[in-house]
Amino acid sequence: EAQVTQNPRYLITVTGKKLTVTCSQNMNHEYMSWYRQDPGLGLRQIYYSMNVEVTDKGDVPEGYKVSRKEKRNFPLILESPSPNQTSLYFCASSFGGRNEQFFGPGTRLTVL
Amino acid sequence: EDQVTQSPEALRLQEGESSSLNCSYTVSGLRGLFWYRQDPGKGPEFLFTLYSAGEEKEKERLKATLTKKESFLHITAPKPEDSATYLCAALNGGFNKFYFGSGTKLNVKP
Repeated sequence: EAQVTQNPRYLITVTGKKLTVTCSQNMNHEYMSWYRQDPGLGLRQIYYSMNVEVTDKGDVPEGYKVSRKEKRNFPLILESPSPNQTSLYFCASSFGGRNEQFFGPGTRLTVL
Repeated sequence: EDQVTQSPEALRLQEGESSSLNCSYTVSGLRGLFWYRQDPGKGPEFLFTLYSAGEEKEKERLKATLTKKESFLHITAPKPEDSATYLCAALNGGFNKFYFGSGTKLNVKP
């Protein structure tokens, strides 16, 4: 089954404790992206990747890091999480940037 | 500044009562305007992509249209199962960046 998977689905952590949210897709997509979704603000793009080893900043990259060492994986790293990073995070992938994106199920992160 | 604005924020319709959702955009070199549906607790699901002004696409009770400044999602004779949040997104031409609106939450009453 074609899908985008994210782990963990739910995470509660404390300020400053490094964490990684994994994202994996099995559709051989070149384009992958991370978004955060907050009430009233909609989806905002954090980082995106056009292909392996090619990443670029989205609209709200501060406080986040990404890497794309393999085509199928695109982890999101929060090296020192803060409460303002409490949000619902979505990973997405597509064949190139102009095509429909397939979204993962989301990761709900709470930073205390 | 690139941005996407959706209206209304929420819309309540009776089953069978047609209406339209609006998506206004100011994005440099638009390379695509996307519509997604999002159900509670789930990731967005793709509906349509429009690439140029004047383009229209249809799927069941939904029809999306695009002008140089806005896009509309027309819902004809909606059913309760059409209840969801509808998101539009614009793709910036120069940087492959997406800008999403904050969505329209549609509630269709039987």
